[in-house]
Amino acid sequence: AQSVAQPEDQVNVAEGNPLTVKCTYSVSGNPYLFWYVQYPNRGLQFLLKYITGDNLVKGSYGFEAEFNKSQTSFHLKKPSALVSDSALYFCAVRALYNNNDMRFGAGTRLTVKP
Amino acid sequence: KAGVTQTPRYLIKTRGQQVTLSCSPISGHRSVSWYQQTPGQGLQFLFEYFSETQRNKGNFPGRFSGRQFSNSRSEMNVSTLELGDSALYLCASRGRTSGDGELFFGEGSRLTVL
Repeated sequence: AQSVAQPEDQVNVAEGNPLTVKCTYSVSGNPYLFWYVQYPNRGLQFLLKYITGDNLVKGSYGFEAEFNKSQTSFHLKKPSALVSDSALYFCAVRALYNNNDMRFGAGTRLTVKP
Repeated sequence: KAGVTQTPRYLIKTRGQQVTLSCSPISGHRSVSWYQQTPGQGLQFLFEYFSETQRNKGNFPGRFSGRQFSNSRSEMNVSTLELGDSALYLCASRGRTSGDGELFFGEGSRLTVL
């Protein structure tokens, strides 16, 4: 079965600094990997996904993520954080052999301070 | 194009009652998934429906059930409510039913059980 780990419950960065939200995954075979963001009292919004090809994936709002197969990681990054980026971020994985089952990490709360 | 619509947004029930939540997917999407979100357990997969058939089911007791109608709208029902059922229930639809299809989430139905 596939699973996702987000090792940090909380990440704090200063506005204008680069940010990284970490994600590692476990799956048999090749994965489909996703990042979502959730603002208070809202549903999840899709940011980006890795399917195949270039390991660096660019998504919405200036976010990008780097797929590293040897480290089974898919870290979310942004070169310059904004206060409005403060939210809850979820990493998710779906295995190629089981496209019905998307598993989410526990989430990382990102706080960007002015 | 309208997004995923969930009703009601908020509801309060007492233990032992039952509740029905509704989800209208994005037009043209035939797959609907349901998730339970709680602070302690994170996002837990309930079930997925496609063309009125349940394709996948998470590890929840039989009190949790769902169905999908011919217009792809879906409902989930929780019977004999327990305090622990208090949660945000999220519905998501996807258009691409292959594994690389991202989920589009509604804003959720927040259930409080007293």
